[in-house]
Amino acid sequence: AQTVTQSQPEMSVQEAETVTLSCTYDTSENNYYLFWYKQPPSRQMILVIRQEAYKQQNATENRFSVNFQKAAKSFSLKISDSQLGDTAMYFCAFMKHVTPSNFGNEKLTFGTGTRLTIIP
Amino acid sequence: EAQVTQNPRYLITVTGKKLTVTCSQNMNHEYMSWYRQDPGLGLRQIYYSMNVEVTDKGDVPEGYKVSRKEKRNFPLILESPSPNQTSLYFCASTPVWPQKNTEAFFGQGTRLTVV
Repeated sequence: AQTVTQSQPEMSVQEAETVTLSCTYDTSENNYYLFWYKQPPSRQMILVIRQEAYKQQNATENRFSVNFQKAAKSFSLKISDSQLGDTAMYFCAFMKHVTPSNFGNEKLTFGTGTRLTIIP
Repeated sequence: EAQVTQNPRYLITVTGKKLTVTCSQNMNHEYMSWYRQDPGLGLRQIYYSMNVEVTDKGDVPEGYKVSRKEKRNFPLILESPSPNQTSLYFCASTPVWPQKNTEAFFGQGTRLTVV
């Protein structure tokens, strides 16, 4: 079974600064996906960024980037030039890569979340 | 527009009164799933379905039922709700192999309170 750990329940940072959210995971799978989801006060789950484990290059999406360390099973999210709209709960999540040879539950395993507050 | 639609968004009910939370997706995804979100626990899977008439338990299935009679719909049924089922519920759908760029599409969430 997979586990995902987010060790920072809450963080805060000044607007325009850079912040890094930590995530570690444990799995015996070799092929999988990692995700960061944002949950603003509206409660909607919004995909921020996705990383495929077989890709060594770290994913980036505008101000959001990840530091994916497969051997260390670490997947941190960096938010640059933070904005007030980045205030939200952030969840790290794991999904194994399902193919016909290992067809099964495509569930997401979530961490417990990090509540991020951007201070004006 | 690709979307997952859950209803209702908010629900307050009494212990023991059967209720159903509906979920519908318009992306022709085979895989659908229900999660509950509780403070300090993140999201946990309740039930999932890999296709029509194929459902199975997730990590926290006790007290819940599901059905998948049509590909687009995956309702969550609480036959006899109890206060410990007070939570935020999410439905999600996911494309399966061989589709690339796998990601889960989430509904808007249902805030359920059982008194």
